[in-house]
Amino acid sequence: GAGVSQSPSNKVTEKGKDVELRCDPISGHTALYWYRQSLGQGLEFLIYFQGNSAPDKSGLPSDRFSAERTGGSVSTLTIQRTQQEDSAVYLCASSPTTGMNTEAFFGQGTRLTVV
Amino acid sequence: QKEVEQDPGPLSVPEGAIVSLNCTYSNSAFQYFMWYRQYSRKGPELLMYTYSSGNKEDGRFTAQVDKSSKYISLFIRDSQPSDSATYLCAMSPFTGGGNKLTFGTGTQLKVEL
Repeated sequence: GAGVSQSPSNKVTEKGKDVELRCDPISGHTALYWYRQSLGQGLEFLIYFQGNSAPDKSGLPSDRFSAERTGGSVSTLTIQRTQQEDSAVYLCASSPTTGMNTEAFFGQGTRLTVV
Repeated sequence: QKEVEQDPGPLSVPEGAIVSLNCTYSNSAFQYFMWYRQYSRKGPELLMYTYSSGNKEDGRFTAQVDKSSKYISLFIRDSQPSDSATYLCAMSPFTGGGNKLTFGTGTQLKVEL
């Protein structure tokens, strides 16, 4: 596909369960970002990957959150022991480089609901 | 206090009106400023970006940055119903290390016929 692809588009899970969210970036893009969007809170930075460098995890809200990026392409965001406050839209973005004037292209997001 | 403040709206204007959307920020290290548009249940899409102070125009859109006041604006001329969306400002203290953007909460805009 031409754009950033995220799956699933919607996920409803029970409190305490683990979930995995997937992001397929645009082919050739070296940088990949995860953001979280809660109602009335804007976009909250979670983590970003750039090539083979160590990821910047400074935005992850707790140790229940982790992410990996395999082969410099697909990324998975994992939330363990989900809580109701984890309910939000999780957005992934990619860009061809981290240089200036580089647009970050966003996916449609995964809407996570923890019940 | 949040690093980036943005009035959430909603803002309702008649078709053809000039729309002014604004953000203030507190981090003087921010150098790179962007406006994203987000339609309901879609991901944000980049509208405009500017580096440092000044104006930038693209069609009906003008982005303005005033670093001395820590204030940025997006103006939309001849607004259309298709402009109805949430507009998010974003900024970064770009240092060559990545596109770690700090976003405002977004302003919901409705352009009415």
